[in-house]
Amino acid sequence: EAQVTQNPRYLITVTGKKLTVTCSQNMNHEYMSWYRQDPGLGLRQIYYSMNVEVTDKGDVPEGYKVSRKEKRNFPLILESPSPNQTSLYFCASSLRFYSGNTIYFGEGSWLTVV
Amino acid sequence: DAKTTQPPSMDCAEGRAANLPCNHSTISGNEYVYWYRQIHSQGPQYIIHGLKNNETNEMASLIITEDRKSSTLILPHATLRDTAVYYCIVRPDTSGTYKYIFGTGTRLKVLA
Repeated sequence: EAQVTQNPRYLITVTGKKLTVTCSQNMNHEYMSWYRQDPGLGLRQIYYSMNVEVTDKGDVPEGYKVSRKEKRNFPLILESPSPNQTSLYFCASSLRFYSGNTIYFGEGSWLTVV
Repeated sequence: DAKTTQPPSMDCAEGRAANLPCNHSTISGNEYVYWYRQIHSQGPQYIIHGLKNNETNEMASLIITEDRKSSTLILPHATLRDTAVYYCIVRPDTSGTYKYIFGTGTRLKVLA
């Protein structure tokens, strides 16, 4: 079954404690992306990756890092989380970025930073 | 910047067709229109996409105007489970901008 899997699904952490949210897809997709969703602001892109070792910033990259060492994995790293990073996070992937390719989303990761 | 414009909310009676409009007046010739929905805070779910012609699948129909400046998603027989936020998106045509822009969508409420 085609899947985008995120972990953890729910996390409460403290300010400054480094954490990683993993994302894995089983569809051999080249394009992967991270979004955050906040009330009233919709989905905003944090980072994206066109392929292995190719990543770039989205609209709200501050405070986040990513890496793409393998095609299937695209972890989101919060080096020093702050309360304003409390949000719902989604990972997404598609075969390629180009028009016509369906985007698949993970189920989301609720992150609370206290 | 938002590339699409949708009404913030709509109601629809159960069993009736739900018609959700989207304006994308700046769409370029090779950009597809995608529709997704999000039920509560689940991951957005793909519904349908199209380029020029009208499209239909098991979930919905997509009607794109001839000038491609707007489209309508049609849920032919809405059920309570179709209550969700519906997003219409297009891929931006700016070179090097590899992101899909989600607006705030249309919150559809299906009423019993």
